[in-house]
Amino acid sequence: AQSVSQHNHHVILSEAASLELGCNYSYGGTVNLFWYVQYPGQHLQLLLKYFSGDPLVKGIKGFEAEFIKSKFSFNLRKPSVQWSDTAEYFCAVRGGNNNDMRFGAGTRLTVKP
Amino acid sequence: DTAVSQTPKYLVTQMGNDKSIKCEQNLGHDTMYWYKQDSKKFLKIMFSYNNKELIINETVPNRFSPKSPDKAHLNLHINSLELGDSAVYFCASNDRGGHTEAFFGQGTRLTVV
Repeated sequence: AQSVSQHNHHVILSEAASLELGCNYSYGGTVNLFWYVQYPGQHLQLLLKYFSGDPLVKGIKGFEAEFIKSKFSFNLRKPSVQWSDTAEYFCAVRGGNNNDMRFGAGTRLTVKP
Repeated sequence: DTAVSQTPKYLVTQMGNDKSIKCEQNLGHDTMYWYKQDSKKFLKIMFSYNNKELIINETVPNRFSPKSPDKAHLNLHINSLELGDSAVYFCASNDRGGHTEAFFGQGTRLTVV
Protein backbone atom coordinates (compact mmCIF):
# COMPACT_ATOMS: atom_id res chain seq x y z
CA ALA A 1 0.00 0.00 0.00
CA GLN A 2 1.12 3.53 -0.71
CA SER A 3 2.15 5.33 2.44
CA VAL A 4 4.17 8.22 3.79
CA SER A 5 6.05 7.84 7.07
CA GLN A 6 7.43 10.49 9.33
CA HIS A 7 9.38 8.87 12.10
CA ASN A 8 9.70 11.77 14.48
CA HIS A 9 6.47 12.63 16.24
CA HIS A 10 7.76 15.49 18.38
CA VAL A 11 11.15 17.12 18.19
CA ILE A 12 12.36 19.64 20.76
CA LEU A 13 15.39 21.76 20.00
CA SER A 14 17.10 24.83 21.33
CA GLU A 15 17.60 27.83 19.10
CA ALA A 16 20.58 27.54 16.74
CA ALA A 17 20.49 23.75 16.82
CA SER A 18 20.46 21.86 13.55
CA LEU A 19 17.32 20.10 12.39
CA GLU A 20 16.69 16.99 10.38
CA LEU A 21 13.20 15.50 10.02
CA GLY A 22 12.81 12.13 8.38
CA CYS A 23 10.34 11.20 5.66
CA ASN A 24 10.02 7.90 3.82
CA TYR A 25 7.47 6.76 1.29
CA SER A 26 6.43 3.48 -0.20
CA TYR A 27 5.21 4.57 -3.63
CA GLY A 28 6.57 2.96 -6.75
CA GLY A 29 7.25 4.85 -9.94
CA THR A 30 7.55 8.57 -10.37
CA VAL A 31 6.72 10.72 -7.38
CA ASN A 32 6.61 14.39 -6.52
CA LEU A 33 7.71 15.25 -3.00
CA PHE A 34 6.77 18.13 -0.73
CA TRP A 35 7.29 19.54 2.71
CA TYR A 36 4.58 21.71 4.21
CA VAL A 37 4.61 23.71 7.43
CA GLN A 38 1.62 24.52 9.61
CA TYR A 39 2.10 27.29 12.16
CA PRO A 40 -0.22 27.20 15.17
CA GLY A 41 -3.78 27.94 14.16
CA GLN A 42 -2.94 28.36 10.50
CA HIS A 43 -3.30 26.44 7.27
CA LEU A 44 -0.61 24.47 5.47
CA GLN A 45 2.04 26.39 3.58
CA LEU A 46 4.56 24.97 1.15
CA LEU A 47 8.19 24.94 2.31
CA LEU A 48 9.72 23.23 -0.69
CA LYS A 49 9.05 20.71 -3.42
CA TYR A 50 10.87 18.23 -5.62
CA PHE A 51 9.77 17.17 -9.08
CA SER A 52 13.00 16.30 -10.89
CA GLY A 53 16.61 17.37 -11.33
CA ASP A 54 18.96 18.21 -8.49
CA PRO A 55 17.93 16.01 -5.56
CA LEU A 56 18.96 18.71 -3.09
CA VAL A 57 16.13 21.20 -2.96
CA LYS A 58 16.26 24.63 -1.37
CA GLY A 59 13.13 26.05 0.15
CA ILE A 60 11.96 29.10 2.00
CA LYS A 61 13.23 30.24 5.40
CA GLY A 62 16.53 28.38 5.08
CA PHE A 63 15.04 24.91 4.78
CA GLU A 64 16.32 22.29 2.37
CA ALA A 65 15.55 18.67 1.63
CA GLU A 66 17.36 15.85 -0.08
CA PHE A 67 15.69 13.24 -2.24
CA ILE A 68 17.45 9.88 -2.01
CA LYS A 69 15.70 7.61 -4.46
CA SER A 70 17.40 4.41 -3.32
CA LYS A 71 16.19 5.01 0.22
CA PHE A 72 12.73 6.31 -0.73
CA SER A 73 13.49 9.26 1.52
CA PHE A 74 13.04 13.02 1.45
CA ASN A 75 14.44 14.38 4.70
CA LEU A 76 14.05 18.01 5.70
CA ARG A 77 16.99 19.93 7.12
CA LYS A 78 17.83 23.33 8.50
CA PRO A 79 21.30 24.17 9.85
CA SER A 80 20.13 26.55 12.56
CA VAL A 81 16.55 26.70 13.82
CA GLN A 82 14.81 29.72 15.29
CA TRP A 83 12.04 30.02 17.84
CA SER A 84 9.73 31.09 15.00
CA ASP A 85 10.20 27.66 13.36
CA THR A 86 7.99 26.13 16.05
CA ALA A 87 5.26 24.46 14.00
CA GLU A 88 3.95 21.20 12.63
CA TYR A 89 5.82 19.85 9.59
CA PHE A 90 4.26 17.53 7.04
CA CYS A 91 5.89 15.50 4.35
CA ALA A 92 3.68 14.80 1.33
CA VAL A 93 4.02 12.55 -1.68
CA ARG A 94 2.14 12.76 -4.92
CA GLY A 95 2.06 9.76 -7.18
CA GLY A 96 0.46 6.39 -7.68
CA ASN A 97 -2.41 5.51 -9.95
CA ASN A 98 -4.54 8.49 -9.03
CA ASN A 99 -1.66 10.92 -8.70
CA ASP A 100 -3.19 12.06 -5.42
CA MET A 101 -1.30 13.77 -2.63
CA ARG A 102 -0.96 12.02 0.70
CA PHE A 103 0.60 13.26 3.88
CA GLY A 104 2.68 11.79 6.62
CA ALA A 105 1.47 11.98 10.21
CA GLY A 106 3.38 15.17 10.81
CA THR A 107 6.22 16.14 13.14
CA ARG A 108 5.74 18.74 15.80
CA LEU A 109 8.83 20.92 16.18
CA THR A 110 9.25 22.93 19.35
CA VAL A 111 12.14 25.36 19.43
CA LYS A 112 13.07 26.67 22.86
CA PRO A 113 14.35 30.25 22.97
CA ASP B 1 -7.12 37.42 -4.01
CA THR B 2 -7.42 34.29 -1.95
CA ALA B 3 -6.49 31.25 -4.03
CA VAL B 4 -8.49 28.67 -2.08
CA SER B 5 -11.24 29.96 0.15
CA GLN B 6 -13.41 28.05 2.59
CA THR B 7 -16.49 29.10 4.48
CA PRO B 8 -17.23 29.16 7.29
CA LYS B 9 -14.00 29.35 9.25
CA TYR B 10 -15.67 28.16 12.43
CA LEU B 11 -18.75 25.99 12.78
CA VAL B 12 -20.31 24.92 16.05
CA THR B 13 -23.35 22.69 15.86
CA GLN B 14 -25.28 20.07 17.74
CA MET B 15 -25.20 16.34 17.23
CA GLY B 16 -27.63 15.12 14.62
CA ASN B 17 -27.61 18.31 12.57
CA ASP B 18 -26.74 18.54 8.87
CA LYS B 19 -24.16 21.10 7.79
CA SER B 20 -22.19 22.12 4.72
CA ILE B 21 -18.74 23.61 4.21
CA LYS B 22 -18.02 25.46 1.00
CA CYS B 23 -14.78 25.68 -0.95
CA GLU B 24 -13.81 27.67 -3.99
CA GLN B 25 -10.52 27.95 -5.87
CA ASN B 26 -9.61 30.57 -8.45
CA LEU B 27 -6.39 28.93 -9.62
CA GLY B 28 -7.87 27.09 -12.57
CA HIS B 29 -6.87 23.75 -11.07
CA ASP B 30 -8.64 20.63 -12.20
CA THR B 31 -8.50 18.66 -8.95
CA MET B 32 -9.85 19.55 -5.53
CA TYR B 33 -9.56 17.71 -2.24
CA TRP B 34 -11.02 17.56 1.22
CA TYR B 35 -8.76 16.64 4.12
CA LYS B 36 -9.68 16.06 7.75
CA GLN B 37 -7.20 17.03 10.45
CA ASP B 38 -7.90 15.52 13.83
CA SER B 39 -6.80 16.71 17.25
CA LYS B 40 -3.47 14.92 16.83
CA LYS B 41 -2.83 16.93 13.64
CA PHE B 42 -3.06 13.85 11.43
CA LEU B 43 -4.16 14.81 7.90
CA LYS B 44 -6.41 12.29 6.25
CA ILE B 45 -7.53 12.61 2.67
CA MET B 46 -11.29 12.26 2.40
CA PHE B 47 -12.19 13.00 -1.20
CA SER B 48 -10.64 14.06 -4.44
CA TYR B 49 -12.58 15.47 -7.38
CA ASN B 50 -11.10 15.75 -10.87
CA ASN B 51 -13.20 17.33 -13.59
CA LYS B 52 -16.30 16.67 -11.52
CA GLU B 53 -15.54 13.00 -11.08
CA LEU B 54 -14.86 11.45 -7.71
CA ILE B 55 -11.44 9.85 -7.77
CA ILE B 56 -10.85 8.91 -4.18
CA ASN B 57 -13.35 8.02 -1.55
CA GLU B 58 -11.44 6.75 1.44
CA THR B 59 -13.07 4.91 4.30
CA VAL B 60 -15.26 7.88 5.04
CA PRO B 61 -18.79 7.40 6.39
CA ASN B 62 -21.47 7.96 3.80
CA ARG B 63 -22.80 10.76 5.99
CA PHE B 64 -20.13 12.80 4.24
CA SER B 65 -20.89 13.73 0.67
CA PRO B 66 -18.83 15.98 -1.59
CA LYS B 67 -20.68 18.08 -4.11
CA SER B 68 -19.00 19.82 -7.01
CA PRO B 69 -21.19 22.11 -9.11
CA ASP B 70 -18.18 23.01 -11.27
CA LYS B 71 -14.45 22.47 -11.22
CA ALA B 72 -13.86 25.63 -9.16
CA HIS B 73 -16.05 24.48 -6.27
CA LEU B 74 -16.06 21.45 -4.02
CA ASN B 75 -18.48 21.59 -1.11
CA LEU B 76 -18.66 19.12 1.74
CA HIS B 77 -22.03 18.15 3.15
CA ILE B 78 -22.28 16.25 6.40
CA ASN B 79 -25.47 14.56 7.59
CA SER B 80 -26.34 13.54 11.14
CA LEU B 81 -23.24 15.04 12.71
CA GLU B 82 -21.50 13.08 15.46
CA LEU B 83 -19.09 14.13 18.19
CA GLY B 84 -16.26 12.35 16.40
CA ASP B 85 -16.70 14.59 13.39
CA SER B 86 -15.18 17.46 15.34
CA ALA B 87 -11.97 18.39 13.52
CA VAL B 88 -10.47 20.92 11.16
CA TYR B 89 -11.42 20.34 7.55
CA PHE B 90 -9.14 21.63 4.83
CA CYS B 91 -9.94 22.10 1.19
CA ALA B 92 -7.10 21.99 -1.33
CA SER B 93 -6.56 22.08 -5.07
CA ASN B 94 -3.91 21.30 -7.64
CA ASP B 95 -3.45 20.22 -11.24
CA ARG B 96 -3.61 16.45 -11.41
CA GLY B 97 -1.32 16.11 -14.39
CA GLY B 98 0.87 19.12 -13.79
CA HIS B 99 3.82 19.87 -11.61
CA THR B 100 2.08 21.87 -8.96
CA GLU B 101 1.85 21.60 -5.25
CA ALA B 102 -1.49 21.53 -3.47
CA PHE B 103 -2.80 24.88 -2.34
CA PHE B 104 -4.78 24.85 0.88
CA GLY B 105 -7.67 26.83 2.22
CA GLN B 106 -7.62 28.34 5.68
CA GLY B 107 -9.52 25.43 7.18
CA THR B 108 -12.91 25.08 8.85
CA ARG B 109 -12.91 24.18 12.51
CA LEU B 110 -16.00 22.07 13.11
CA THR B 111 -17.10 21.50 16.69
CA VAL B 112 -19.98 19.14 17.36
CA VAL B 113 -21.55 19.47 20.80
